[in-house]
Amino acid sequence: DTGVSQDPRHKITKRGQNVTFRCDPISEHNRLYWYRQTLGQGPEFLTYFQNEAQLEKSRLLSDRFSAERPKGSFSTLEIQRTEQGDSAMYLCASSLGTVNVAFFGQGTRLTVV
Amino acid sequence: TQLLEQSPQFLSIQEGENLTVYCNSSSVFSSLQWYRQEPGEGPVLLVTVVTGGEVKKLKRLTFQFGDARKDSSLHITAAQPGDTGLYLCAGAKGNTPLVFGKGTRLSVIA
Repeated sequence: DTGVSQDPRHKITKRGQNVTFRCDPISEHNRLYWYRQTLGQGPEFLTYFQNEAQLEKSRLLSDRFSAERPKGSFSTLEIQRTEQGDSAMYLCASSLGTVNVAFFGQGTRLTVV
Repeated sequence: TQLLEQSPQFLSIQEGENLTVYCNSSSVFSSLQWYRQEPGEGPVLLVTVVTGGEVKKLKRLTFQFGDARKDSSLHITAAQPGDTGLYLCAGAKGNTPLVFGKGTRLSVIA
């Protein structure tokens, strides 16, 4: 399967714990995006990378959130001191160059209890 | 303020009926994508439209991009239960990340 891969698919964590999600984009895609989706909403942009450079961060991305793409390939999204409001589906997508068509992974569903 | 407004929010129809869902904005987009999402899964790309007035067909699905590139519609002919899902439109302005509408949740009843 050469699509976008996300791990884990599901994560249940206690409030206050840290969690980290991984995204492996389509191999030749240089852009990688993170979105968050809550029930009844469309995906909301969090941040994106072009190669290893993080080019934009949404105001939704509080300082508890950090994303990296160290070698321009896979990316990680870490949430520190999780809160119940962080419960959502976290979606990763990738695209090639300036062709702004994004392909999504299956998402990581986070539940904070 | 929602940049892309989708309507209706919910739609429940019988198998075999036709339907149209809409995606509207006051902003001009360089391209617009339609995705379908099933519960617990990521959005799956259906189509990209880039030219004002463009019409694309994908089997029973017809997508149209408005002349002014501010709006789009998706028409489904003879809907089937397999069409059930959340239909999302997403707009792009140049190289900026996609912005999404809230989606139309379609239920097709056999």
